[in-house]
Amino acid sequence: NAGVMQNPRHLVRRRGQEARLRCSPMKGHSHVYWYRQLPEEGLKFMVYLQKENIIDESGMPKERFSAEFPKEGPSILRIQQVVRGDSAAYFCASSPVLNEQYFGPGTRLTVT
Amino acid sequence: DAKTTQPPSMDCAEGRAANLPCNHSTISGNEYVYWYRQIHSQGPQYIIHGLKNNETNEMASLIITEDRKSSTLILPHATLRDTAVYYCIVRGVKAAGNKLTFGGGTRVLVKP
Repeated sequence: NAGVMQNPRHLVRRRGQEARLRCSPMKGHSHVYWYRQLPEEGLKFMVYLQKENIIDESGMPKERFSAEFPKEGPSILRIQQVVRGDSAAYFCASSPVLNEQYFGPGTRLTVT
Repeated sequence: DAKTTQPPSMDCAEGRAANLPCNHSTISGNEYVYWYRQIHSQGPQYIIHGLKNNETNEMASLIITEDRKSSTLILPHATLRDTAVYYCIVRGVKAAGNKLTFGGGTRVLVKP
């Protein structure tokens, strides 16, 4: 049973470009969470999604950030017009119903 | 979710038991205690969780006091690969799911 998969593992973008981060949950998991870890800081919740629905986006920045979890395919975290402050590790987690969350290896975004 | 307090760091000798304390004095009756760890820059790894009874799995044991105001994670035979930041998280389980709120954690260094 494959774990949570995230790609790309490393992403470099210039200021102003768009970043797309993908997360494939574990098989049978219908709940997806995104977290961000800024350099030398702790993990912060961003958004919680179920298939085709955003359940809790209380941790998402108001602008430039969006997330989706379509009926088919991976969950996508999209960051438009990236700035240097968006450089961070972005982790996706999935869970079956409301149980423990299992994390992916993360995507390290570097904005130059 | 209730707040948790953990020591910022601790050392442990390889092969010995590591006892990681966590205080959660404001925990409410329907909140669980979860433990995760993050090994250098990797995605957080689920360890164990419990409500009021002590729990044990292949990774660790969780001891929760009778009043549930504190708990201890026990790694029975620490290895060098157990060096990580350990997070104690109190989490309620709601119909709409629940995010994980990570604090500072305890940085555990296992020494040979």
